[in-house]
Amino acid sequence: SQTIHQWPATLVQPVGSPLSLECTVEGTSNPNLYWYRQAAGRGLQLLFYSIGIGQISSEVPQNLSASRPQDRQFILSSKKLLLSDSGFYLCAQTTLRGNTIYFGEGSWLTVV
Amino acid sequence: RKEVEQDPGPFNVPEGATVAFNCTYSNSASQSFFWYRQDCRKEPKLLMSVYSSGNEDGRFTAQLNRASQYISLLIRDSKLSDSATYLCVVVKVGDDKIIFGKGTRLHILP
Repeated sequence: SQTIHQWPATLVQPVGSPLSLECTVEGTSNPNLYWYRQAAGRGLQLLFYSIGIGQISSEVPQNLSASRPQDRQFILSSKKLLLSDSGFYLCAQTTLRGNTIYFGEGSWLTVV
Repeated sequence: RKEVEQDPGPFNVPEGATVAFNCTYSNSASQSFFWYRQDCRKEPKLLMSVYSSGNEDGRFTAQLNRASQYISLLIRDSKLSDSATYLCVVVKVGDDKIIFGKGTRLHILP
């Protein structure tokens, strides 16, 4: 069966520090992968999505970046975090034709 | 126009009442539709997929009207445990991009 995992679950980082959130998928190949952010009291905002290795589409210009070094691995990074980067980050994956969506457990980031 | 729009909420509803959520989407080529619920500080959980023929799961009924690009969710006999944020989710054909509505917050009052 398909599973999706992301980590770390929670982290507190100082302003200006780097960030790396990792998401991995099991039980499928060539998934479409997504990173979302949800600020406090707000909806889920699509940050990046990827249809294959090295193929990244950015939805919102900001100080975050994403990479897909392997088929089932999707990484969200920042070189220097801002206070406004605080929020709930969610990795997601769709099956062929998007008929099913799988979500990671989410990562809570607090930038202080 | 936003790609997926929902009632802004919050809805404060007494226990036992019927609640209706609405959602519209702008891309007529959208292919898959879902309702998710999200509890505070948690990832979204699938409530139900939405089909043109309509589908029902216990107290929950979902409808899709492709001509009007409109999706609905009806909750009957609401329970305290139904309190959550309800997200309308659309997957676009071609790139399989998942688009979330901003969600409607529901509070069931005892």
